[in-house]
Amino acid sequence: DTAVSQTPKYLVTQMGNDKSIKCEQNLGHDTMYWYKQDSKKFLKIMFSYNNKELIINETVPNRFSPKSPDKAHLNLHINSLELGDSAVYFCASSHNRYHYGYTFGSGTRLTVV
Amino acid sequence: AQSVTQLDSHVSVSEGTPVLLRCNYSSSYSPSLFWYVQHPNKGLQLLLKYTSAATLVKGINGFEAEFKKSETSFHLTKPSAHMSDAAEYFCVVSDPIGDMRFGAGTRLTVKP
Repeated sequence: DTAVSQTPKYLVTQMGNDKSIKCEQNLGHDTMYWYKQDSKKFLKIMFSYNNKELIINETVPNRFSPKSPDKAHLNLHINSLELGDSAVYFCASSHNRYHYGYTFGSGTRLTVV
Repeated sequence: AQSVTQLDSHVSVSEGTPVLLRCNYSSSYSPSLFWYVQHPNKGLQLLLKYTSAATLVKGINGFEAEFKKSETSFHLTKPSAHMSDAAEYFCVVSDPIGDMRFGAGTRLTVKP
């Protein structure tokens, strides 16, 4: 059983489209995150939710909108995709916001053409 | 504010020789420190963590790291590299409120 699962694993789409990435964790964790990893492997946090409440919202274009219907799910919706959005997006979870280590999903490779 | 610097972007070793991946941190608080590994096209896996207990931390796959406050370092070591250790390694610092900062990563290559 995958602890943190993301779908889809690969996503190729045209500029201007709207797309969503889904994330689910079965660990009973309270806190979930979205990270973006660029082509140089640099990881940057985008959002964090604790029990469905947004607690971290870094400087991210408002075309990106997270949604957490319950504490086991954190989805990422992206409007009007741009070439610069191409990256690998990782979902992660931790016991709580004062965690000591994340569990990461396997990533979603988004390519905007 | 806190940050982490991985001193080498790429380290290459021969199989069976020791591995040293260097990490320095900066933090205004008593930090928690982590090492994660990312194999090609995979997610990140926690190798080990330091959370103010023993300064020498043992992790999975034979890796260990030592927290040295006087040097603000948290270097990752392994006595003998294996081909399967080839991956990207990330050093991470976290403050008490859970703000985690990732280093830029070190790519480890293991030659046969």
